[in-house]
Amino acid sequence: SQKIEQNSEALNIQEGKTATLTCNYTNYSPAYLQWYRQDPGRGPVFLLLIRENEKEKRKERLKVTFDTTLKQSLFHITASQPADSATYLCALDGNAGNMLTFGGGTRLMVKP
Amino acid sequence: NAGVTQTPKFQVLKTGQSMTLQCAQDMNHNSMYWYRQDPGMGLRLIYYSASEGTTDKGEVPDGYNVSRLKKQNFLLGLESAAPSQTSVYFCASSFAQGDQPQHFGDGTRLSIL
Repeated sequence: SQKIEQNSEALNIQEGKTATLTCNYTNYSPAYLQWYRQDPGRGPVFLLLIRENEKEKRKERLKVTFDTTLKQSLFHITASQPADSATYLCALDGNAGNMLTFGGGTRLMVKP
Repeated sequence: NAGVTQTPKFQVLKTGQSMTLQCAQDMNHNSMYWYRQDPGMGLRLIYYSASEGTTDKGEVPDGYNVSRLKKQNFLLGLESAAPSQTSVYFCASSFAQGDQPQHFGDGTRLSIL
């Protein structure tokens, strides 16, 4: 069966360190993968998109990698700040109709 | 810039009641979506609309209906509310289907007693 797995346990890191979040998938062949940020009581906000032919994408302190062999995407936040504390969702195009399928999200807590 | 606006923000219903969740976007987007978000299950697509006047089922459409009579509005109806429909409902829009980023509203928190 198709699965998108993100670590359901919260990731706690110290301010200034690099946070690395993982998104693994099985039985998908996505053409692209997206990452979103969600704050409590708010809707998700788009951060980055990476296509299957791209190994890495950067935007300011954010970096995303996409390994179609490992079926994994890594999302990095360098020099993390308490304001980066949120839940991060990965989403990829499912096998039907170009619809996005979302993972369950990983909560990141950055401590001062 | 309002973006995507959902009303109401909160609602409590009794089992068997019906209601309509409203969504409006001001970005001239062609595609709109309704998701539900439950703890530990991520966002699941209920219905989507690729363009004004068209709608299609998503992953979990049972018990819901939708209408897209105007490009900027996408309505989600609950025909006969059930406790299993207690959830947070998100509306989203994008310029087109596919790899376009989706813009989300802040959700409607719905409780069915």
